[in-house]
Amino acid sequence: AQRVTQPEKLLSVFKGAPVELKCNYSYSGSPELFWYVQYSRQRLQLLLRHISRESIKGFTADLNKGETSFHLKKPFAQEEDSAMYYCAPSYNFNKFYFGSGTKLNVKP
Amino acid sequence: SQTIHQWPATLVQPVGSPLSLECTVEGTSNPNLYWYRQAAGRGLQLLFYSVGIGQISSEVPQNLSASRPQDRQFILSSKKLLLSDSGFYLCAWSFRDSNTEAFFGQGTRLTVV
Repeated sequence: AQRVTQPEKLLSVFKGAPVELKCNYSYSGSPELFWYVQYSRQRLQLLLRHISRESIKGFTADLNKGETSFHLKKPFAQEEDSAMYYCAPSYNFNKFYFGSGTKLNVKP
Repeated sequence: SQTIHQWPATLVQPVGSPLSLECTVEGTSNPNLYWYRQAAGRGLQLLFYSVGIGQISSEVPQNLSASRPQDRQFILSSKKLLLSDSGFYLCAWSFRDSNTEAFFGQGTRLTVV
């Protein structure tokens, strides 16, 4: 069965501190990996995808196939980063499975 | 550009009543369509997935059903709602190509009383 684990329900950091949101996936095969974000009173939206190797709003994510992890990182958190973050592997023609989410709270 | 519309935004229904939530996509053809349920502490659970008209894949056994009567229309239904059907329901679409993102609607807050 497909499973995505985001172990932290809530992560609180101070502004300027580094942040890492953990994601581990358990699948047979090779999924594509995505991170989605939901800001307060906004729709769920894509933050970044592994295949693009991109950095969005200072966030990066490294895929470790050996550990089946896709952790999201940012060296210096900002207050506007406060949001709900979801890790989402995609399988079999864009069938997305979402983790339980991590609420990031960046304190001033 | 593409847009996704989902309605109603909120709904309060009595136990045992029927349900129909509608989702439509504009500006694209042959999208993949999805219904998710967002429950506190459990993230987004994929309920149904569709790659074409009349082609529905159910991910979890449940009291709900989905239909796709037109290419860009996706409907979530129930004949008799249960209290446990309460939750936040999200419709989404994606292009057929692999490695593309999903685009989400605003969601429907369903409360079964």
